[in-house]
Amino acid sequence: GQNIDQPTEMTATEGAIVQINCTYQTSGFNGLFWYQQHAGEAPTFLSYNVLDGLEEKGRFSSFLSRSKGYSYLLLKELQMKDSASYLCAVNNAGNMLTFGGGTRLMVKP
Amino acid sequence: EAQVTQNPRYLITVTGKKLTVTCSQNMNHEYMSWYRQDPGLGLRQIYYSMNVEVTDKGDVPEGYKVSRKEKRNFPLILESPSPNQTSLYFCASSPLGQTNTEAFFGQGTRLTVV
Repeated sequence: GQNIDQPTEMTATEGAIVQINCTYQTSGFNGLFWYQQHAGEAPTFLSYNVLDGLEEKGRFSSFLSRSKGYSYLLLKELQMKDSASYLCAVNNAGNMLTFGGGTRLMVKP
Repeated sequence: EAQVTQNPRYLITVTGKKLTVTCSQNMNHEYMSWYRQDPGLGLRQIYYSMNVEVTDKGDVPEGYKVSRKEKRNFPLILESPSPNQTSLYFCASSPLGQTNTEAFFGQGTRLTVV
């Protein structure tokens, strides 16, 4: 079966760094995506990892360890607009995505 | 502009009254899918399609139907809606075989069944 776990909620302070973890157990693995979703809006793409290691993209970085079934999304220099849900999704085979429940991040002044 | 368009954005209906939510993409993507999103449960896949006339069940297909007569369109049909189908629905598309390409999502349809 497919199982993707993320913390339900996190709180951080403006200007700080926050790490959102995702662990997965899936049948087949063709990469892991992170999406950002503001309340009531469509998810938007943040990052993709298929090889072990860190991918950096501006204030956002994503890490993957396939042997551990683990990924994290790192957000630096937090801004109020980063308050959103962050979705971890595993591409099992082809383009079939399985999503975790999402982590709701609240950034406080 | 590359986009996925869903209609309607908001819909309130009564139990048992058939409805269709439309989804259209202009990127010539082969793969299209429908998700529902409920608090605490994340995005769950309802149905997906890998090409015209090829559809298959996702994780929560009960109570839903889909069709894929044209590549650009993938409507979601609720033949007899029930209150437990009240949810936020998203359509998504992506090119098949390019596993590193993200899915593009529509704006969402908030459905309430009373």
